[in-house]
Formats: sequence, structure tokens, C-alpha cells
Amino acid sequence: NAGVMQNPRHLVRRRGQEARLRCSPMKGHSHVYWYRQLPEEGLKFMVYLQKENIIDESGMPKERFSAEFPKEGPSILRIQQVVRGDSAAYFCASSGPTNTEAFFGQGTRLTVV
Amino acid sequence: GNSVTQMEGPVTLSEEAFLTINCTYTATGYPSLFWYVQYPGEGLQLLLKATKADDKGSNKGFEATYRKETTSFHLEKGSVQVSDSAVYFCALSDRGNAGNNRKLIWGLGTSLAVNP
Repeated sequence: NAGVMQNPRHLVRRRGQEARLRCSPMKGHSHVYWYRQLPEEGLKFMVYLQKENIIDESGMPKERFSAEFPKEGPSILRIQQVVRGDSAAYFCASSGPTNTEAFFGQGTRLTVV
Repeated sequence: GNSVTQMEGPVTLSEEAFLTINCTYTATGYPSLFWYVQYPGEGLQLLLKATKADDKGSNKGFEATYRKETTSFHLEKGSVQVSDSAVYFCALSDRGNAGNNRKLIWGLGTSLAVNP
């Protein structure tokens, strides 16, 4: 059973470009969480999704950020018009039916130049 | 709101030394508590967890006991190894959130370096 897969591992974008981060949850997992780890800071919750539904997006910046978890395919975290302050590690976690333990991917490290 | 506070690092120890990383929390309800470890260049791995008061989580020689009276979940290991060098995160999951939401609230992480 493959773990949570995130790609790309490293992403470099110029200011103003779009960044798309992908997360494939573990097989059988229908809960997906996205977290952001800014340099020298801890992780912060961004969004919680189930298949085709956003359940809690209270940690998402109000503009430029969006997330989806379609019926088929990976969850996508999309950042439009990136700025230098978006440079961070973005982690995805998934959990199974009982939703009691989250398994993390290796993260995508976004660098905005 | 819910929060987690853990001791600041970095912590530097010699091999076979005793390790304690303090973690305290503030939460409504009855959260589950976790320790995650992040090795250099890697993602986050669950190290151990406890879901109710007085539970002890343990794994790979690490232990932590859920103390409701002191709102603490300190991480301990009797004899650290060089391979334990990593960043350790304390986190809580509030089971009282709306619906099935189990989002994690994180401490800032404590960097541990173990020298041979």
C-alpha cells in the first residue's frame, strides 16, 4: 500500500505564476488535509476536504489559494499569482474511514523567485 | 482557541543521554495528542499518540503520557542515538470539532541533535 504521494517534491515559480501542488492519498482514504510550514515556523492547518467537498477551509488565505479533491484523481492545492511569501513547504495528509490517524506525504517545497 | 506549546530548541545531546521535550496544550473538550518526527529533508512521521487521559504512547523507545491535570504530553527517551537527530512536533486533534474534522494544531517543533 503506497503512502501519501505528493508531487512535485520541489517547485520553483516566478512571482505572478501559478503553482499546482498534487496529493494522492493512501488507498482507501477519503479525508485529505493540507498544511503549510513556513520557514522557522510550525505547521499551520489550511484546508480539510473529503471527496468532492471542502469541509473546513478556515486556514486558507482569502485570496489566490484554492483546493479541490475530485471524485477521481488527486487533491490539488492551487496558488495563483504567487508571491515570495508563499515560499514554504506544503504537506498533505490523508486518513481513513475512522479518521483517527493522519498519514503525511513528503511535502512539496515551493520556492518563489 | 486550542494551542500547543513546546520547548524551544535546539537541543543538543550526547549519544545515550536522556531526552525530555516538554509539550503543554490548551484545548476545549478532550483532544487526542500526538508526537510527529521530521528527519532532515523528509516529511512527517507519526511517532506516537494518546487518545485519552493517562494513556501512554510509545514507539522506538520514545514515550509520552497524556496528563490531563497538567495539560502536558512530554516526550521522553532513556537513551538517544545519533539517528534520533530530527525535529519533533507535538500536536493535538480536537475531537469536538464540527463533523468529522480532525485537523491538527501544532507546536513550533524542537530540533534535536545527537552527537556521537
